[in-house]
Amino acid sequence: EDKVVQSPLSLVVHEGDTVTLNCSYEVTNFRSLLWYKQEKKAPTFLFMLTSSGIEKKSGRLSSILDKKELFSILNITATQTGDSAVYLCAVEEVQGAQKLVFGQGTRLTINP
Amino acid sequence: DTEVTQTPKHLVMGMTNKKSLKCEQHMGHRAMYWYKQKAKKPPELMFVYSYEKLSINESVPSRFSPECPNSSLLNLHLHALQPEDSALYLCASSQDFAGVTDTQYFGPGTRLTVL
Repeated sequence: EDKVVQSPLSLVVHEGDTVTLNCSYEVTNFRSLLWYKQEKKAPTFLFMLTSSGIEKKSGRLSSILDKKELFSILNITATQTGDSAVYLCAVEEVQGAQKLVFGQGTRLTINP
Repeated sequence: DTEVTQTPKHLVMGMTNKKSLKCEQHMGHRAMYWYKQKAKKPPELMFVYSYEKLSINESVPSRFSPECPNSSLLNLHLHALQPEDSALYLCASSQDFAGVTDTQYFGPGTRLTVL
């Protein structure tokens, strides 16, 4: 059965800290890995990763994929209270149409 | 514009009611999705429409009936739901060009409560 596992499930840090969120996966017909941030409602897109070893950056956030070891990490530097959210990792597999398999999410809380 | 809209935002219904959830996108995307999300859980895929045809049904009970009237609209018809069906229902869309990886963009969701 396809699996996407995120760790830690919950993380509490102080503003200014750097955090690393982990996502490991076992899926057949892998196509890409996506990171989303979910606050109160809809998940908002952060990154899509398709190639190993190529870091994607957006401001204080960055992410990288290792297709050999089947994992990805999401880094957030100089965290701010607005970074508090659930971070979802999803793996896209090809199954006729696109299908996303989500991990359980990491609940990140940034304290001032 | 990467907006997916959903109506209503909130819906309370009884177990004998019939209601519909609506989703709309004007990004020219040809794939649309319904997800169900329970509290503190990740979204779970329910249905995928690709070029207005149902591509994936994740063994969803027949009390949920999807419909894709055109490439911009996706409906989810609800009938005889159970209290355990209470959840946030998310719609998403993506380009879905064959062989091209693509991002799914999510709508704000409809929070459904079944009494």
